[in-house]
Amino acid sequence: GAGVSQSPSNKVTEKGKDVELRCDPISGHTALYWYRQSLGQGLEFLIYFQGNSAPDKSGLPSDRFSAERTGGSVSTLTIQRTQQEDSAVYLCASSFKIIGLAKNIQYFGAGTRLSVL
Amino acid sequence: AQRVTQPEKLLSVFKGAPVELKCNYSYSGSPELFWYVQYSRQRLQLLLRHISRESIKGFTADLNKGETSFHLKKPFAQEEDSAMYYCALSVNAGGTSYGKLTFGQGTILTVHP
Repeated sequence: GAGVSQSPSNKVTEKGKDVELRCDPISGHTALYWYRQSLGQGLEFLIYFQGNSAPDKSGLPSDRFSAERTGGSVSTLTIQRTQQEDSAVYLCASSFKIIGLAKNIQYFGAGTRLSVL
Repeated sequence: AQRVTQPEKLLSVFKGAPVELKCNYSYSGSPELFWYVQYSRQRLQLLLRHISRESIKGFTADLNKGETSFHLKKPFAQEEDSAMYYCALSVNAGGTSYGKLTFGQGTILTVHP
């Protein structure tokens, strides 16, 4: 596709359930980022992937949050035992990186709006 | 740790008036600064970055290292400029640029006719 694709666009779940959010980056983009956009906290970094590895997971708020990336492409963010404070818009971004020279223009998806009841 | 501050949550101007969205940052090294914009019902998109030193849609932003600021300016605001604007910062970590963005809280700009 032409841009970063995220699914689902909206997700309503009950407290305690697990959810999976998907991100399909722009083809050829090796760097992938997850961010969270919430009313109280603004836009926060969650995790960064370079290829399939995640050298920076510093933004994940708790061990209920995990993410993986396969084939250097699609990424899945999983939230286990969801809580009401997890309600937010989860954004994915990708960028094209040349080793030794960062071209850090991040292209964002439309986001997944998660509502935990 | 790095921090980005946008002191104005809301900013209202009339069409044709100059507009300045303020952004201050704290970081001891040499960061890369960006302005991202989110129009109503659209995704977040890059407006401009300091290393490009370009003008996009009439907007400019100059990095002032002495004042640690990266204010966004436009001499004549248009109604279509109404949007949420985020200032963001990216740093090198130990020589490896992970490129993660630290965002300010955002400023909602409303341009009245």
